[in-house]
Amino acid sequence: QSVLTQPPSVSEAPGQRVTISCSGSSSNIGAGYHVHWYQQLPGTAPKLVIYDNTNRPSGVSDRFSGSRSGTSASLAITGLQAEDEADYYCQSYDSTLTGGVIFGGGTKLTVL
Amino acid sequence: QVQLVQSGAEVKQPGSSLKVSCKTSGGTFGSSAITWVRQRPGQGLEWMGTILPDFATANYAQRFQGRVTLTADESGKTVSMGLHSLTSDDTALYFCAGGRGAGFRTPLDPWGQGTRVTVSS
Repeated sequence: QSVLTQPPSVSEAPGQRVTISCSGSSSNIGAGYHVHWYQQLPGTAPKLVIYDNTNRPSGVSDRFSGSRSGTSASLAITGLQAEDEADYYCQSYDSTLTGGVIFGGGTKLTVL
Repeated sequence: QVQLVQSGAEVKQPGSSLKVSCKTSGGTFGSSAITWVRQRPGQGLEWMGTILPDFATANYAQRFQGRVTLTADESGKTVSMGLHSLTSDDTALYFCAGGRGAGFRTPLDPWGQGTRVTVSS
């Protein structure tokens, strides 16, 4: 059971927009801790696509964007392409947990 | 460009110990935190622990406390993750990841290629 809750799966057609939610609580996202997002293509290591809630690392497509509000965060992908089909994970920090680093359970994005 | 290269796949007996290494290149060793994350078959990402650039300070997830140790070899620019008292539940893909910064909450970038560990009798 992850401290950060993500939908197990989302799907959308090519060219469309999809959002993936990451729901937390007052001891993590709601406390102001940053949220980071990772993309994991099949059989590969995760890759950072959004950091500190809204920032894109160099080289990541501007079709990816992030937001945070209250105790939740979201990752949005516009102009969906087949290559976006992957698992996506949110990550943050929880002040009540030993060590504190937490991941969401992951969301499988299917491009129809 | 910082790169992380991990040691190769391992097959271990239940009850034994594991050591996976993560060699850094292309950057300044000791300028960012190094984190270990594992992924059990068909499961999500699980944070195990993070060691800070001073290599004297580490944080571990509660479920691994007392069983995992992160160490650094500065001359070899390598950080290692040791895990003992292995069970079949430790069968997983283990990743190291560099931090964009020096703290525990830093985003993870880049990642190593992963080390597959199988625990089986």
